[in-house]
This record gives sequence, C-alpha cells and structure tokens, in this order.
Amino acid sequence: EIVLTQSPATLSLSPGERATLSCRASQSIGSSLAWYQQKPGQAPGLLIYDASNRATGIPARFSGSGSGTDFTLTISSLEPEDFAVYYCLQRNSWPQTFGQGTKLEIK
Amino acid sequence: EVQLVESGGGLVQPGGSLRLSCAASGFTVSSTYMSWVRQAAERGLEWVSIIYSGGDTYYLDSVKGRFTISRDNSRNTVYLQMNSLRAEDTAVYYCARWESRFYDCWGQGTLVTVSS
Repeated sequence: EIVLTQSPATLSLSPGERATLSCRASQSIGSSLAWYQQKPGQAPGLLIYDASNRATGIPARFSGSGSGTDFTLTISSLEPEDFAVYYCLQRNSWPQTFGQGTKLEIK
Repeated sequence: EVQLVESGGGLVQPGGSLRLSCAASGFTVSSTYMSWVRQAAERGLEWVSIIYSGGDTYYLDSVKGRFTISRDNSRNTVYLQMNSLRAEDTAVYYCARWESRFYDCWGQGTLVTVSS
C-alpha cells in the first residue's frame, strides 16, 4: 500500500498570503495524484487531478505540481473561502490511498 | 444535475449489520465506476470498495468478507451491505463516482456508528 504523507498538518496564514502544501508518496506514483478540498460538514471537492490539471471551475490561484514522490499544492493568494482541509489522493496502485490532510486555518 | 444521495446509516452494535444505499441522478451508475469512501476522525479518508461498470468489485483488505458492494440498475442505486461490523468501522460513509482519474461527484455522506 502506498502511504501519502502530507505536511504540514496545520498551516496558519492570513488572507492574501501564499500557501504551499506538500504531499509525499512512499513510492513513485508518476503523476497519478489528485488534490481535494473539504469544508466542515461537506464532502471533499476536486481541485487538481493528474498532479497539475485544475478541475472545471477551480480558480487559477490553485495550482499543482510535482511527479514521482513529491507533490505540491499552491494557493497563490488566499481568499477567505480557501480555509479548509486539503487532501491528496493517489490512484497509481490499489488500494487508492489518501493523505492524512493539511488544515489551512486563518492566522 | 449529477447528484448522489446516501442513506441507511445509524447506530448498530458490534457484530451487527447495515445496508447503505446511494441513489444517483443525472447519470447511470451501471455506465461508470462507483466507490464507497469512509472518513473516521482518527483515520481520515479511506477507500472502502468499488464496483466497475462491468460488475467487477474490489475491497479494502480490512472489509473483505464482511462488506459487499452491489448495484440495482433499475433503481440507479449502489449499495454497501456491511456485516460483522466492528467499532473501527465507525465513520461517515460517502459514495462517489470515479471518472478514471478522480472522484468527480460525492454524496453528502451517511454516519455509521458501531457501539454497544
């Protein structure tokens, strides 16, 4: 089973600042990684797929990069609605696995 | 509009059973891959099971032999039959549509609590 390790566990920033979230895989997964955003009481919503492709309707301030074992989600300038929990998901091998999440909170 | 609505969660004693339902609208469940994903506070998000459009099914090792995924094409609904439930199965259970590279549609979730 591929283990995804997200860091940091919690990130405290202010609106307007840049956020950088990391997801590291225990073995190479190519570009088979997606990023999801989850707000309290809601299901996860797709942000990025195949490591760097924005999903339909996702603002340009969200970007993804990386391949192999190291991946990054960047939010260029935080909006109030961006404060949430972010998860990565790998589909390279079964079972699919999620990272444990990064909570992005308002400083 | 594409929508998934889960139901069937609740409180059950260890060793008991529950059947979760996931009613789909706006698309046909038999033409795509449908998964159940659960979220427990201590373990985060965890894929549980998937049913392919062709009918093949796969399970997380820890639920093999206890959980069964199925679908009713006439009702456009996917099910998760959960038997021999354990405390560690306690979670919010989501159904989600797998579109070859990502989950693009999720239900609102249904809470399963296994406790005496």
